[in-house]
Amino acid sequence: GNSVTQMEGPVTLSEEAFLTINCTYTATGYPSLFWYVQYPGEGLQLLLKATKADDKGSNKGFEATYRKETTSFHLEKGSVQVSDSAVYFCALSDGDYKLSFGAGTTVTVRA
Amino acid sequence: DAGITQSPRYKITETGRQVTLMCHQTWSHSYMFWYRQDLGHGLRLIYYSAAADITDKGEVPDGYVVSRSKTENFPLTLESATRSQTSVYFCASSLTGDQPQHFGDGTRLSIL
Repeated sequence: GNSVTQMEGPVTLSEEAFLTINCTYTATGYPSLFWYVQYPGEGLQLLLKATKADDKGSNKGFEATYRKETTSFHLEKGSVQVSDSAVYFCALSDGDYKLSFGAGTTVTVRA
Repeated sequence: DAGITQSPRYKITETGRQVTLMCHQTWSHSYMFWYRQDLGHGLRLIYYSAAADITDKGEVPDGYVVSRSKTENFPLTLESATRSQTSVYFCASSLTGDQPQHFGDGTRLSIL
């Protein structure tokens, strides 16, 4: 079956630091990959997505590249801000409506 | 633009009671979903619906019932609540099955 593994947190960074959250997946087909972000007290919001190998998703300074050879979709941001403090979820969809989520990574950015 | 709204935001109840969580979306999305969020598990799909009057089980359906008589509403009922159902519940919707899902703000349910 499909599964998503992402690095465990929590991750604590200083402002302007570089952020990487690792995500690897197992899927039977050719999935679409997503990063969702959850700010405190809110629901999940789609941050970025990629639908095929070598696609790069980007939004709000975050980027992730769909790497089929390593089955990975690592999230990166070059310079984080306090407002980036949130829980980040990697997810995949294997050609249908179902999303499989990773466990989530809590990121805290300190001023 | 109301989007997708869940009610209540917080609920405390006792074991054995029935409780219904509401979800309403204003986009006329075909697909709607219920997830539960537990520490260390991410989000797990409870039930989903592809259209009015069409529902199906997800990964963790036991103890839950859903209905979808209207496209915009997708209530989730715990018929006899158990402590293991203490969780944060999220409703989501998408225009079609392969479009990104949009989430509500969640209902935090505590069962004592």
